[in-house]
Amino acid sequence: GAGVSQTPSNKVTEKGKYVELRCDPISGHTALYWYRQSLGQGPEFLIYFQGTGAADDSGLPNDRFFAVRPEGSVSTLKIQRTERGDSAMYLCASSFFSGANVLTFGAGSRLTVL
Amino acid sequence: AQRVTQPEKLLSVFKGAPVELKCNYSYSGSPELFWYVQYSRQRLQLLLRHISRESIKGFTADLNKGETSFHLKKPFAQEEDSAMYYCALKLYSGAGSYQLTFGKGTKLSVIP
Repeated sequence: GAGVSQTPSNKVTEKGKYVELRCDPISGHTALYWYRQSLGQGPEFLIYFQGTGAADDSGLPNDRFFAVRPEGSVSTLKIQRTERGDSAMYLCASSFFSGANVLTFGAGSRLTVL
Repeated sequence: AQRVTQPEKLLSVFKGAPVELKCNYSYSGSPELFWYVQYSRQRLQLLLRHISRESIKGFTADLNKGETSFHLKKPFAQEEDSAMYYCALKLYSGAGSYQLTFGKGTKLSVIP
């Protein structure tokens, strides 16, 4: 596609449930980033993929959060045992080069945990 | 800690007035800074980066290492400039990895 695609755009779940958020980057972009944005805050780094491997996962808040990118294209962010504090907008971005120079962002997946 | 500070949550200016959105950073290395913008109901997008020394939509930003600032300026605000503006700092996180760390953002409102 022409841009970064994220699905679902909205997800409402109950506390304790498992959630998957999907990101389809721009074709040919090797670098992929996940960010989380809470209300009134800027985007907060979660994880960076270069190709298939997670090059930097230092931003994942705890072991309930996990992300994969098995074929170096689509990525899935997985959240286990969701908590109310996980409610946020989850943004995906991709870049042609590694190096975080110009990131193209998706529209985001808004997660609400009741 | 490396961080980006945007001291104003909201900035309101009249159309035609000058605009300055403040950004200060803390970084021990050689900084690389960006401004991203999010217009209403649109995606976050790059506005400009200091390394390019460019002017986009009339906006400029100069890196001042002495003051550790990267303020965004425009001489005459337009209504279409109303948006959320985020300053971002590129960090090297080891093993060839980079990430952007963002400020909390400033909402610019241009009053007609």
